[in-house]
Order: sequence, then structure tokens, then C-alpha cells
Amino acid sequence: SQTIHQWPATLVQPVGSPLSLECTVEGTSNPNLYWYRQAAGRGLQLLFYSVGIGQISSEVPQNLSASRPQDRQFILSSKKLLLSDSGFYLCAWSPPGGYYGYTFGSGTRLTVV
Amino acid sequence: EDQVTQSPEALRLQEGESSSLNCSYTVSGLRGLFWYRQDPGKGPEFLFTLYSAGEEKEKERLKATLTKKESFLHITAPKPEDSATYLCAVQGYSGGGADGLTFGKGTHLIIQP
Repeated sequence: SQTIHQWPATLVQPVGSPLSLECTVEGTSNPNLYWYRQAAGRGLQLLFYSVGIGQISSEVPQNLSASRPQDRQFILSSKKLLLSDSGFYLCAWSPPGGYYGYTFGSGTRLTVV
Repeated sequence: EDQVTQSPEALRLQEGESSSLNCSYTVSGLRGLFWYRQDPGKGPEFLFTLYSAGEEKEKERLKATLTKKESFLHITAPKPEDSATYLCAVQGYSGGGADGLTFGKGTHLIIQP
């Protein structure tokens, strides 16, 4: 069966510090991978998606970047965090083709102080 | 641009008191409409996918229905463990890539014993 792992669960970082959140999927090949952010009072916002190694698409301009160095690994990064980067970050995967619901990871609560 | 509006934002019910949650959507061709359940501090958990108007799906005390403009999540004789935020999302034919889901802000449901 397929599983998705996301870490860390919580993170408190000072403004201006770097960020690296990691997500891995097991039990499937060539998944579509997604990073979402959920801010208080707002819906889930798609940040990045990837259909293959090295292929990254960004949905919104921002202080963040994403990379996919391996087939089942997706990384969310920032060189310098802003206060506005605080939120709940979720990784998700779906089978190739994108016609299916997503399976989400457990999320990372990021607080920038 | 795909849009999803959920109502009400919050709903408090007594145990056993049935009700419905609404999800209104606009999309340029519907691939699928998805319902998720999200517990505090956790990632969304997949419930249902609906693909065409008139379709219905059931799981325990939950039943999801779909029309051309909206979806309803009916909760029959709810129990306290049904308390959660329920998210609705749509996937449309926006062309190319792994199209992300567009989420509503959710309905926060509280079931009181």
C-alpha cells in the first residue's frame, strides 16, 4: 500500500532563516506531487506541483521554492523566511494522470518568529 | 478560474440531529468533486469523489450528492466523533500539467453529546 511521509511535524524558525521541508511517498512510482499551504481562515492554497523528477510548476509567486531530486521525494525550501510564510504546509500525491483524489501527508506547522 | 464556496462556515449540532453541508462551485469542465475530512492539526482525509451530476456516494453516516452547480454532504444521526472540518474541492479541465484541486474554506462541524 502507498504511504506518504512528511516532516518535521512542527517548526519554529526566526525571520530570515532558511527552510527545508521534506516529503516522501512509498509504494508507488511516478506520482504527481503537490505542496499546499493552509493559513488560518483561508482555504488550502496550491503552491507547487510536480509530474516528474526535476519538473516543478509554481502556482503563485512567493518566497518559496520546490525541488524533486528523486521520483518519490519532494522538498519545499526558502532561503530567507518571512513572517507571512507561517502556516500549515501539506504535501500530497496522486497517481499519474491527475484524475484522482489526493492523499495528504500529516502536515508541518511552521511558525516564523 | 475555478471557485468553491462552502456554507455554513461553522455548524453546531446535537448528537443525532441530521443536517447538510453545502459546496457551491464554478469550474470550466468538472473532472471531479472531492470531499475531505480534516481533524485539528492533521492532513485532510479523503472521503468521496463525485464525477457527474446525479451521482451519490455513501459512507457510514455520510452521503454526498452532486448537481451541476453544487454538492451536499448529508450527515445522518451524527455522533461526536463526526466533529471535524469538512473540505470540498474541485478539479477542472484547466489544460496541461497535473491540475491542482481548488479547495473551499471548509465547514467546521461540532457535534455535541
